[in-house]
Amino acid sequence: KQEVTQIPAALSVPEGENLVLNCSFTDSAIYNLQWFRQDPGKGLTSLLLIQSSQREQTSGRLNASLDKSSGRSTLYIAASQPGDSATYLCAVIFTGGGNKLTFGTGTQLKVEL
Amino acid sequence: EAEVAQSPRYKITEKSQAVAFWCDPISGHATLYWYRQILGQGPELLVQFQDESVVDDSQLPKDRFSAERLKGVDSTLKIQPAELGDSAMYLCASSLDGGGTEAFFGQGTRLTVV
Repeated sequence: KQEVTQIPAALSVPEGENLVLNCSFTDSAIYNLQWFRQDPGKGLTSLLLIQSSQREQTSGRLNASLDKSSGRSTLYIAASQPGDSATYLCAVIFTGGGNKLTFGTGTQLKVEL
Repeated sequence: EAEVAQSPRYKITEKSQAVAFWCDPISGHATLYWYRQILGQGPELLVQFQDESVVDDSQLPKDRFSAERLKGVDSTLKIQPAELGDSAMYLCASSLDGGGTEAFFGQGTRLTVV
């Protein structure tokens, strides 16, 4: 079964700290992996998209890496700010999975002053 | 900036009533998804359209849920009759062509069934 897992479920860090969020998936045959941010009661905001042929993508303070062979992706957030507090979700499109996004359960991040 | 539009943002309905949600994807996006997200969980696919055709509705409870995208543009998701367990966030997303392209989500519809 094609599954996506995110650990930990929740994370609390002090402002200014660099942090890493983890995403693992069960099948290395993927089209792409996408990281999203979700604020409470809101929809999903796309942060970064990594194609299967890529190793990493960067946007501002965010850097996402992809290691297909180990079935892992990480989202690195530099110099965290209270405004980064949200739930971060990763989603994978598996090849042979009909082009649907399969989501993890997310990591709820709190950045404290 | 182009975005996926959803309405309503919030809906409260009594069980056994009918309810409908609307989604307008980003212009030119052929693929449209409806996801359901229960609080504290990741979104799960209900139905996926490619243009006006359903390509995946394997997780759609077809006895009470229906979805259509008649002209391959906007889409409607209907629940009839609503049950207490249908309370969730309903999210619509679109992408240019599905596999390999970035998906964009709307703000969602928060449904509460009482």
